[in-house]
Amino acid sequence: GQQVMQIPQYQHVQEGEDFTTYCNSSTTLSNIQWYKQRPGGHPVFLIQLVKSGEVKKQKRLTFQFGEAKKNSSLHITATQTTDVGTYFCAGFGNNFNKFYFGSGTKLNVKP
Amino acid sequence: DAEITQSPRHKITETGRQVTLACHQTWNHNNMFWYRQDLGHGLRLIHYSYGVQDTNKGEVSDGYSVSRSNTEDLPLTLESAASSQTSVYFCASSESSGAGGAFFGQGTRLTVV
Repeated sequence: GQQVMQIPQYQHVQEGEDFTTYCNSSTTLSNIQWYKQRPGGHPVFLIQLVKSGEVKKQKRLTFQFGEAKKNSSLHITATQTTDVGTYFCAGFGNNFNKFYFGSGTKLNVKP
Repeated sequence: DAEITQSPRHKITETGRQVTLACHQTWNHNNMFWYRQDLGHGLRLIHYSYGVQDTNKGEVSDGYSVSRSNTEDLPLTLESAASSQTSVYFCASSESSGAGGAFFGQGTRLTVV
């Protein structure tokens, strides 16, 4: 069945360092979405990528969708303590109208 | 403003009891989902619905049921609560195409003792 894998599981960085999390799907996706969950909170939608090879930026966050629409990445430049949380990717399958969530990457930023 | 709300936010129940968690959304979304979140497992899909009278099983549906009698609500019922069902439960809704992402409720922390 459909699987979305996400690495790494955990990442500890010093404030100011960069951070990247990767998402890989076993099948082609119609779109990929990214969410952030703060400690004790609920997942919050960040962005959606639809086109093959698409790149989108939100301030220090850069999102990429692979050419084959099977992988994606989120890169944070110069992390801040406000970036702490778990980042999830979610694929919306071509044949199934539901979200396949990756296992998430928990980011800790040391001041 | 449109929103999605879950109740209760916290619940402690005894093994074997039936429990219902409420989810109400005012986005007028057709899609609604229930997930559970446990350490090391991310978000796992329990049940989902594409519209009124439609329900589908997710990857961890055993011991749970849902019903969709209107667009706004998707209550989740634990037929006979078990300690393994201690978890944080999230309800979410989205447009039919998934465009714009899923909107999550605040979550319900359920403890089965």
